[in-house]
Amino acid sequence: AQKVTQAQTEISVVEKEDVTLDCVYETRDTTYYLFWYKQPPSGELVFLIRRNSFDEQNEISGRYSWNFQKSTSSFNFTITASQVVDSAVYFCALSEGETSGSRLTFGEGTQLTVNP
Amino acid sequence: EAQVTQNPRYLITVTGKKLTVTCSQNMNHEYMSWYRQDPGLGLRQIYYSMNVEVTDKGDVPEGYKVSRKEKRNFPLILESPSPNQTSLYFCASSLSRGPDVGEKLFFGSGTQLSVL
Repeated sequence: AQKVTQAQTEISVVEKEDVTLDCVYETRDTTYYLFWYKQPPSGELVFLIRRNSFDEQNEISGRYSWNFQKSTSSFNFTITASQVVDSAVYFCALSEGETSGSRLTFGEGTQLTVNP
Repeated sequence: EAQVTQNPRYLITVTGKKLTVTCSQNMNHEYMSWYRQDPGLGLRQIYYSMNVEVTDKGDVPEGYKVSRKEKRNFPLILESPSPNQTSLYFCASSLSRGPDVGEKLFFGSGTQLSVL
């Protein structure tokens, strides 16, 4: 069975600090997809990134970067020079297999608060 | 505008009183799904549908029913709500039914349900 763990329930930082959100996953499939979502205080869910299991390249998008390591089953998310607008709940998610897109498993979420 | 519309946004009810949360999408998506979000548990899938008249259980289906008579609508039915169903509910739809569904998910604005 697939599982996603976000051990950090809450993180609080001061603006301009770098912060890393951890995500550890479990799956028996060799083909799977990993995702990060952002949920700002307004409540909507915003897709941030997708990674498939065959692509271990790290990715950078502006102040956001993602570190995918199959050896440790982790897909961590780093925000550089954090801003108040980054305050949100962040979810990591996993989808397995060739056709099982129907099963999208989310982690517990990490509440990030960036203080001015 | 492409969107997933959920109604109502907020709902307070009493134990045992049947209710329906509606979900409609205007993107001709085949895949639709319901999630509930609870503190410390993240989002958990309740039911999903791969097409009209095709529905299947997610991780937490007990106490819920769904129907998919038309492609655009996917209502969530609580026949006899109980306080443990107090939660924030999200409907989602996707053009993809494959493992990349998480990248293409469109979420509704959410329905905050309180069962007294």
